[in-house]
Amino acid sequence: NAGVTQTPKFRVLKTGQSMTLLCAQDMNHEYMYWYRQDPGMGLRLIHYSVGEGTTAKGEVPDGYNVSRLKKQNFLLGLESAAPSQTSVYFCASRSSGGKETQYFGPGTRLLVL
Amino acid sequence: EDKVVQSPLSLVVHEGDTVTLNCSYEVTNFRSLLWYKQEKKAPTFLFMLTSSGIEKKSGRLSSILDKKELSSILNITATQTGDSAIYLCAVASGSARQLTFGSGTQLTVLP
Repeated sequence: NAGVTQTPKFRVLKTGQSMTLLCAQDMNHEYMYWYRQDPGMGLRLIHYSVGEGTTAKGEVPDGYNVSRLKKQNFLLGLESAAPSQTSVYFCASRSSGGKETQYFGPGTRLLVL
Repeated sequence: EDKVVQSPLSLVVHEGDTVTLNCSYEVTNFRSLLWYKQEKKAPTFLFMLTSSGIEKKSGRLSSILDKKELSSILNITATQTGDSAIYLCAVASGSARQLTFGSGTQLTVLP
């Protein structure tokens, strides 16, 4: 039982390049979330999903897209990376039934030059 | 706009001291308040609080929620160097229980 995993762990991009971050969970959780964390700040919600095939915008969605084609996977895409997207990205998941506890993956460190 | 504010931003203490971390919030459709500990990597869950006045405890850590004052405190007694971390407060709201995080309190425990 690996919990929540994220790939890659670290990536360097040039401005304008695109990439996809993958989040996978093996806990059969309905809800999945993508956050970013910048120095001196807490985590901010980018997008989330309440189930397979659904996505919704969070607090800071601009410049990102997401997809949830399979229940266990939640993909975060950057179509044209910008230096402002340099950050640490965390994925989280939680079960349904009123339980608010979210379980986090180890994070992906992204540097955009 | 939902808002969570933590204080202090940073704290340096010596082993054996007791610390109190504060969290206040302004959130519509409040569901619960959560505390996480973040060391080098991912936040790890500590407590979830939904009702006022009920203290949650785990070893040397305890937390309580005051829904009237829209705040919570996290206490750590007899601190150890292993308690050094960022402590994050988050509030769950909305039907999807989205989390709004505070900026965290950086706790450093010196030997």
